[in-house]
Amino acid sequence: AQSVTQLGSHVSVSEGALVLLRCNYSSSVPPYLFWYVQYPNQGLQLLLKYTTGATLVKGINGFEAEFKKSETSFHLTKPSAHMSDAAEYFCAVRTEGDGATNKLIFGTGTLLAVQP
Amino acid sequence: EPEVTQTPSHQVTQMGQEVILRCVPISNHLYFYWYRQILGQKVEFLVSFYNNEISEKSEIFDDQFSVERPDGSNFTLKIRSTKLEDSAMYFCASSATGVANEKLFFGSGTQLSVL
Repeated sequence: AQSVTQLGSHVSVSEGALVLLRCNYSSSVPPYLFWYVQYPNQGLQLLLKYTTGATLVKGINGFEAEFKKSETSFHLTKPSAHMSDAAEYFCAVRTEGDGATNKLIFGTGTLLAVQP
Repeated sequence: EPEVTQTPSHQVTQMGQEVILRCVPISNHLYFYWYRQILGQKVEFLVSFYNNEISEKSEIFDDQFSVERPDGSNFTLKIRSTKLEDSAMYFCASSATGVANEKLFFGSGTQLSVL
């Protein structure tokens, strides 16, 4: 069975500082990994995803994430935080193949606050 | 970008009452989903729906829950007799092909409060 763990339910950074949101996954088959963001009063939006190929994936709004199989991690980073990045961020995993599931498995989410 | 719309944004109901949460998926999408998030907990999968039938459901999705696509545009989640523990944010989502590596489009959610 697949699972996702997000370390830190709340992260606070200063504007201009590095953003690092941690995600570790568990999967018995090669995973597809996603980061979704939820801004206040909006739905979940896809930030970026890893499927195959290059392990460093770039997403919208300057975010990127690196798939590290040896560490079973898919941490989300942004070099310089902006006030508009304040939102809740969700890591998710999905798989295909034998035992495939049609569903996204989400982490508990990390609420990012950006201080001026 | 196309959007999934959900109504209402907030729903308050009494325990034991029936509620219907409504969603309009993106028009050319074929796969539809409901997820929910209880306050402070993970976003959890409830059910997926394709070709007018349920393709997968979680253990949460018991006989009190049902889904329907009544008119080719709306996708509804019905909870027959609500319990206090059904209080959560319910998200509808849709996707074009259902393959594992594709993007899901989510609505902004319906906050259900059961009193």
